[in-house]
Amino acid sequence: EPEVTQTPSHQVTQMGQEVILRCVPISNHLYFYWYRQILGQKVEFLVSFYNNEISEKSEIFDDQFSVERPDGSNFTLKIRSTKLEDSAMYFCASSEAQVGELFFGEGSRLTVL
Amino acid sequence: ILNVEQSPQSLHVQEGDSTNFTCSFPSSNFYALHWYRWETAKSPEALFVMTLNGDEKKKGRISATLNTKEGYSYLYIKGSQPEDSATYLCASYSGGGADGLTFGKGTHLIIQP
Repeated sequence: EPEVTQTPSHQVTQMGQEVILRCVPISNHLYFYWYRQILGQKVEFLVSFYNNEISEKSEIFDDQFSVERPDGSNFTLKIRSTKLEDSAMYFCASSEAQVGELFFGEGSRLTVL
Repeated sequence: ILNVEQSPQSLHVQEGDSTNFTCSFPSSNFYALHWYRWETAKSPEALFVMTLNGDEKKKGRISATLNTKEGYSYLYIKGSQPEDSATYLCASYSGGGADGLTFGKGTHLIIQP
C-alpha cells in the first residue's frame, strides 16, 4: 500500500542551525502539507502546497520556514535558523483532493538544543 | 483561527462496552470534517471525511455523524476492543484562509480488558 515516508525520524540540532526535513508523498497525490505537534499540544497546521506553490500557510510559518518540491517526488521543509520552540514532531501529509483524507508520514522529531 | 474542541480529553471504557465522544467546530464557512485515529508510535490514519449536514458514515464498529448547522460531530464505537485504544482526532476545514485543516486536541481512548 502506498505510504508517505519521512526522513530523518529524529534530528537533534543546535539553536541557530538550519534543518531540512524530507518527505516523499504518495505519488499520485497533488496536495502536500506540513503539520507539527509540540509535545502535549495540538497538531498544528503549518503549510499546504499545490501546483508547485504554497496555497495556504499559518501564522507559525514565518520567514524562517520554507518548503520546496525540488524534483517531483520529494517535499521538503526547511527551517533556516532553528529556535528552541521549534522542537516538535513534524508530520508531512498528502492528499488526492483539496479536502480529501490526509495520508500522514510517521513524523520527524526535531529537538533543538 | 478556527477553534475545534473535543471532549472528553480522555476516556476509559470496559472491553465490550460502546462509547462515543464529541467534536465541536465553528459552523460558519464549514467545508469538511475529518476523523483520524492515532495509535501510539504510528501516524494518524483517516477514518472519515464528512461534508454534508446529516452525514452518517460507518466503518466496521465505528461510525460518525455530522451536524453542520450546530457545529458538532459524534464518533461512536460499538463493542469496544483493546485494538480501539488510540487517540481520536477530529479536524475541520473552513475553506480558504490560513487555517488549513484545524485539529482538535483529541480524545484519548483506553479500552480496559
